[in-house]
Amino acid sequence: NAGVTQTPKFRILKIGQSMTLQCAQDMNHNYMYWYRQDPGMGLKLIYYSVGAGITDKGEVPNGYNVSRSTTEDFPLRLELAAPSQTSVYFCASSYKDRAEQYFGPGTRLTVT
Amino acid sequence: AQSVTQLGSHVSVSEGALVLLRCNYSSSVPPYLFWYVQYPNQGLQLLLKYTSAATLVKGINGFEAEFKKSETSFHLTKPSAHMSDAAEYFCAVSLSSNTGKLIFGQGTTLQVKP
Repeated sequence: NAGVTQTPKFRILKIGQSMTLQCAQDMNHNYMYWYRQDPGMGLKLIYYSVGAGITDKGEVPNGYNVSRSTTEDFPLRLELAAPSQTSVYFCASSYKDRAEQYFGPGTRLTVT
Repeated sequence: AQSVTQLGSHVSVSEGALVLLRCNYSSSVPPYLFWYVQYPNQGLQLLLKYTSAATLVKGINGFEAEFKKSETSFHLTKPSAHMSDAAEYFCAVSLSSNTGKLIFGQGTTLQVKP
């Protein structure tokens, strides 16, 4: 199993550009999550999904959108990138409620 | 409501010394608790978890944690630090909400001095 994979690993965006961060898992997990991590700020939940076709906002959803058309994929869309979205983004998945989450390697995004 | 507090954003120990990273939680239901480690430029990796079985939980790389309900604590320990243990450590508690969400602490950076 590849586990949770994320692409790209690094990206530089100009202010106002858009992009999609890809996340896929091959463990047949129903639950998936997107976090951002800023220095000294821990992890903040952006969006999550409890199954294909079901998504909901987390703690910091503004400026982002998600979709979940399949169990495997959970892409995160950034529209009109802003410098405040410079961060490291992690995708994670879990097989049931109250279980551990499995994390991808992250995408480091810089908006200039 | 559930929450997690990690005491000390930075901990420094000498190689071979005891590692103690503190985590206190608040939970309205019996908690499920987790410790994760993050090495530089990598994702989070599960170290160990407590799911209401044995109160002393052993994890990978020689780490263990003890669940103490009376103190609402889940501190992480390792008897002898290695240079390779230098990383950031996160404590987390699960929400009981059918969402699978975890509440993470702010993290503790462990520095190991030679």
